[in-house]
Amino acid sequence: SQELEQSPQSLIVQEGKNLTINCTSSKTLYGLYWYKQKYGEGLIFLMMLQKGGEEKSHEKITAKLDEKKQQSSLHITASQPSHAGIYLCGADMDSSYKLIFGSGTRLLVRP
Amino acid sequence: EAGVTQSPTHLIKTRGQQATLRCSPISGHTSVYWYQQALGLGLQFLLWYDEGEERNRGNFPPRFSGRQFPNYSSELNVNALELEDSALYLCASSPGPGSGANVLTFGAGSRLTVL
Repeated sequence: SQELEQSPQSLIVQEGKNLTINCTSSKTLYGLYWYKQKYGEGLIFLMMLQKGGEEKSHEKITAKLDEKKQQSSLHITASQPSHAGIYLCGADMDSSYKLIFGSGTRLLVRP
Repeated sequence: EAGVTQSPTHLIKTRGQQATLRCSPISGHTSVYWYQQALGLGLQFLLWYDEGEERNRGNFPPRFSGRQFPNYSSELNVNALELEDSALYLCASSPGPGSGANVLTFGAGSRLTVL
């Protein structure tokens, strides 16, 4: 969706390196959700951010929401091969309970 | 607790045929969402059902339709199949509007191939 732009589209990193994925919205966000998808499978919920400035962490993954910039970032510290997959950001753009997703960022972590 | 289940896992059809995909939500969830993930097109919102009613619809032609049953399970029907309908169809469920944060739980998907 052009309403949610993700960057980069793909990323290849060496195991142990840090990385950041960005998600930028063209509209006000009413909730920003991060999901991970293994190729050809369903999506796994990672984190939800609702308030500007909010930051959440789970294991080695941290997500932040910059409400003013209408942008969220997902940061992985000390990446591992298990982090490989497609990361998608989703957002409720108009408080309609309909989640729109970005095009995803494909991550490959080389051992 | 069982997650969101979808059937069939794979489905092969020919152009012009009809396809029916099924989804069972997590127990207690009243909302069911359908998404299409075609190669190179990302995850596209198809339909949202809650309490048996269609609440929202994405930008898809009328030959994409569905329904939600009293037990909250749902089916997606695609009529007059076209080659470009080949995709992974993902179903997700959530507790429904008014329950706060709308975290969707996804199924593993049904892969539809149209020949």
